[in-house]
Amino acid sequence: ILNVEQSPQSLHVQEGDSTNFTCSFPSSNFYALHWYRWETAKSPEALFVMTLNGDEKKKGRISATLNTKEGYSYLYIKGSQPEDSATYLCAPKLSGNTPLVFGKGTRLSVIA
Amino acid sequence: GAVVSQHPSWVICKSGTSVKIECRSLDFQATTMFWYRQFPKQSLMLMATSNEGSKATYEQGVEKDKFLINHASLTLSTLTVTSAHPEDSSFYICSAKGLLDGTDTQYFGPGTRLTVL
Repeated sequence: ILNVEQSPQSLHVQEGDSTNFTCSFPSSNFYALHWYRWETAKSPEALFVMTLNGDEKKKGRISATLNTKEGYSYLYIKGSQPEDSATYLCAPKLSGNTPLVFGKGTRLSVIA
Repeated sequence: GAVVSQHPSWVICKSGTSVKIECRSLDFQATTMFWYRQFPKQSLMLMATSNEGSKATYEQGVEKDKFLINHASLTLSTLTVTSAHPEDSSFYICSAKGLLDGTDTQYFGPGTRLTVL
């Protein structure tokens, strides 16, 4: 069973603050890492798919980095806005034929 | 693009009854669909994977006779919880994967909250 840890479990930040959180996973047999944003009462939204060590992806104010050798990925949000409030899920994948394994998520609340 | 709907969004049923949940890909053909379950404060746990026209592959510990999955078309998969009991109360969510963008991305529905009395 793949152990996926996300930290912190939750955090509150002020509007305008930048923040980041972590996804840790076993570094062996890595294939890909997915990040999702899940707002309450909506469908989880795909943010990034990362495959290569050193990958860095960006979507607006959100970016992510990947370190497959040490088994972690960081998600950064620059200048947080209330609409960024959501649960952010990461899901590594060991191979092309194995399913995504989700962490419990980091619940972000941005206070106006 | 890549919208997945799920119906119903919530359902309450009596113990012993069966409940069917539908998952539809609205604007793409889903070669593979996935069913997950989430208990409070837990992560999404994969229940089964289904490919169109094939039998579903269930994860260890998931009873295939209790959770019937049908993926009869490229846009529809259904999950039927048979003889539901209170311990089946959970949040069920589906996702779909198709030949959209060359990535492995799964597109999720909004989920179904099942409460069994």
